[in-house]
Amino acid sequence: KAGVTQTPRYLIKTRGQQVTLSCSPISGHRSVSWYQQTPGQGLQFLFEYFSETQRNKGNFPGRFSGRQFSNSRSEMNVSTLELGDSALYLCASSLREATEAFFGQGTRLTVV
Amino acid sequence: AQSVSQHNHHVILSEAASLELGCNYSYGGTVNLFWYVQYPGQHLQLLLKYFSGDPLVKGIKGFEAEFIKSKFSFNLRKPSVQWSDTAEYFCAAFSGNTGKLIFGQGTTLQVKP
Repeated sequence: KAGVTQTPRYLIKTRGQQVTLSCSPISGHRSVSWYQQTPGQGLQFLFEYFSETQRNKGNFPGRFSGRQFSNSRSEMNVSTLELGDSALYLCASSLREATEAFFGQGTRLTVV
Repeated sequence: AQSVSQHNHHVILSEAASLELGCNYSYGGTVNLFWYVQYPGQHLQLLLKYFSGDPLVKGIKGFEAEFIKSKFSFNLRKPSVQWSDTAEYFCAAFSGNTGKLIFGQGTTLQVKP
């Protein structure tokens, strides 16, 4: 079966702009989580959605937001981009919480 | 606060050496524990997981991990590493209390041929 698909794979944005990243989970998976990966920081939890509801949120500013659609696809949005937002953004899907999470290839965001 | 700590940030080994990567989590209660691996240029994939039962779990590619509840640890081991094991390794813990899957900072393993 198809894996987790993230688009786009690469993005270059300017400070102050906003960006939207997309994630299509594995078919049948209803839980989608987002992580920010940077060197030395590992994976930082952003938020988790299940059946269109945000169930958990990490310690990120309100500029980071997300949503999930009825088909379980998810988007995350970052407004007013800062240089420090440059990172690999990973999406993971799972059947339900606490079970194995399957990761996409990520979207590499560079803010200049 | 919920956290996962990996003791080694960068490990360099020669082929055939034994590997042990440390992982500790900070909270009690029911936890599900995972080790993920990220090979260069590839996505994160699951090595092994522990939910309950036998605290010694075996994963893919000859990896195993031992859950020690009293030490809040879930260390990853492999008796003999290969050059192809060069990758970044992440420990992760899911807490039923918080509902979050939290990752450690990662350990970069470099295996010299």
